[in-house]
Amino acid sequence: KQEVTQIPAALSVPEGENLVLNCSFTDSAIYNLQWFRQDPGKGLTSLLLIQSSQREQTSGRLNASLDKSSGRSTLYIAASQPGDSATYLCAVVSGTYKYIFGTGTRLKVLA
Amino acid sequence: ETGVTQTPRHLVMGMTNKKSLKCEQHLGHNAMYWYKQSAKKPLELMFVYSLEERVENNSVPSRFSPECPNSSHLFLHLHTLQPEDSALYLCASSQVWDTLHGATEAFFGQGTRLTVV
Repeated sequence: KQEVTQIPAALSVPEGENLVLNCSFTDSAIYNLQWFRQDPGKGLTSLLLIQSSQREQTSGRLNASLDKSSGRSTLYIAASQPGDSATYLCAVVSGTYKYIFGTGTRLKVLA
Repeated sequence: ETGVTQTPRHLVMGMTNKKSLKCEQHLGHNAMYWYKQSAKKPLELMFVYSLEERVENNSVPSRFSPECPNSSHLFLHLHTLQPEDSALYLCASSQVWDTLHGATEAFFGQGTRLTVV
């Protein structure tokens, strides 16, 4: 059974810092991995999608990497801003139609 | 409108009421999903429809009844709910994947905050 873990559960950093969020999964047989952002009480916003054949994806200040063999993905946020404050979720697509989510990392960027 | 739209955004209902949640996607996708998000728990997959057929029913109680009349619309009919069913209900859509090209990016709506009193 696929399990997804995100560490740390919460993170508080001063503005301008570079930071790394971690996602690990137990079964390396995945189709893809997707990172989302969720603001309080809102839906999920897709940030980056990494196909299983890819090693990384970049969008603006965000860079996500995938190491399938070790069951890990990282989301790197450069030059963090207060507007980056949110919960970050990773989801692996494992098996038909199954997006399996982690519990998220709650990020607070202090001005 | 673009993306995935859910209505209503907030819903308060009594345990004996019947209500429905609506989801509409304007992305041309052919798979739609219902997820439940409770406090301090990972998102739980409830139902998946692909090409308007239910392909996943994740041991959800029968007081939740999904309906997918076409590839753009998804409903979740609610009746005789319990207070523990209070949660954020999220709808998502994606393109049905094939084994050659793998899975596609999922897009979510803003959710319906449901409170059962």
